[in-house]
Amino acid sequence: AQSVAQPEDQVNVAEGNPLTVKCTYSVSGNPYLFWYVQYPNRGLQFLLKYITGDNLVKGSYGFEAEFNKSQTSFHLKKPSALVSDSALYFCAAYNQGGKLIFGQGTELSVKP
Amino acid sequence: GAGVSQSPSNKVTEKGKDVELRCDPISGHTALYWYRQSLGQGLEFLIYFQGNSAPDKSGLPSDRFSAERTGGSVSTLTIQRTQQEDSAVYLCASSHGQPNQPQHFGDGTRLSIL
Repeated sequence: AQSVAQPEDQVNVAEGNPLTVKCTYSVSGNPYLFWYVQYPNRGLQFLLKYITGDNLVKGSYGFEAEFNKSQTSFHLKKPSALVSDSALYFCAAYNQGGKLIFGQGTELSVKP
Repeated sequence: GAGVSQSPSNKVTEKGKDVELRCDPISGHTALYWYRQSLGQGLEFLIYFQGNSAPDKSGLPSDRFSAERTGGSVSTLTIQRTQQEDSAVYLCASSHGQPNQPQHFGDGTRLSIL
């Protein structure tokens, strides 16, 4: 079965430190991978995507993600975390039925 | 430009009543999706419309749930005879329908069943 896993329910980081939010996937064929962020009482907001090409993808608000085919991972990273980055983050992958499969989400907390 | 618009933003109703949730997608987007999100949880796929094709209803949890999309634009999700377990945030998203294109989400309707 096709799936997306986010192994950490919560990630805690100090402001200014680098952050990583982990994601692994299991999909058929070439993976189309996405990261979304959700702030309280808001819908999901698109951050970045991997379709093909460079394994390091850059997105909004200084976020980037590294695609690793051998490890079937697509971890979200940021070199220096901000308090305002605190939110719920979702990894997602397209399946062949035209739908996005979402991970369960990771709550990122950045403390001053 | 205008994003995905959902209404109402909040809905409180009594158990057993019917509710209708509305979604206005981004103009020109051929694909429209409904999801359900329980408090602080992940997204549960409900239904997917793509152009004039028959909708993918595989995620609807029971026959109390139905959705339609009129004229390839506005969509309405209807829940009949609401139950307390229907309480959740219902999110709508739209896209160009290609797998390399992101979905764009509305801010959702927070449904509370008393």
